[in-house]
Amino acid sequence: DVQLVKSGGNLVKPGGSFRLFCAASGFNSSHAWMSWVRQAPGKGLEWVGLIKSQTDGGTTEYAAPMKGRFTISRDDSKNMFYLQMDRLKIEDTAVYYCASGALWDKGTLVIVSS
Amino acid sequence: QSALTQPPSVSGSPGQSVTISCTGSSGDVGSFNRVSWYQQPPGTAPKLIIYEVTNRPSGVPHRFSGSKSGNTASLTISGLQTEDEADYYCSSYTTINTWVFGGGTKVTVL
Repeated sequence: DVQLVKSGGNLVKPGGSFRLFCAASGFNSSHAWMSWVRQAPGKGLEWVGLIKSQTDGGTTEYAAPMKGRFTISRDDSKNMFYLQMDRLKIEDTAVYYCASGALWDKGTLVIVSS
Repeated sequence: QSALTQPPSVSGSPGQSVTISCTGSSGDVGSFNRVSWYQQPPGTAPKLIIYEVTNRPSGVPHRFSGSKSGNTASLTISGLQTEDEADYYCSSYTTINTWVFGGGTKVTVL
């Protein structure tokens, strides 16, 4: 099956860090652009950022609220994608999705709370 | 980049057609044919139903169609069915190489 599977969520204190993993299976993810999208409880979707394929430069782009705090990376040898979140704020509490085109994972809840 | 503007809710009876608008600017919807639409039933992950303004991924019913005029994109559901009740989001690529979502529209089948 073609799918994206992500690591579990967590409860993190404000100012802390957390890393999400997204594993791709069933397709050659080295050519894929991977986006991260989040959804705060009861709210709409918010684009977090993306990483392009290495053939397209492997560069990253971020939404303004995440720039400088979040880092997206990839390891094509492992078909893995990562979202490193630093200096977390309470307002970063959300379900986080990794997504590539029509392929989305089921979402992971990250709670930032003291 | 400001969120795209969608109506909070639309409703219709089974069999009717409903249209959801998605208004952006020349910095996003108006500059690219890279508008997507997502369907999200309660408690589930979003599902891509339209990409590049008018294209449907495999398996998406033909009653879902997309269009664009100027800075506004639209999603039309023709022949509304009860299983279409969900939240719908548009998204667009932007001139600053980011993506932006709309605020979402709740579709209610009466």
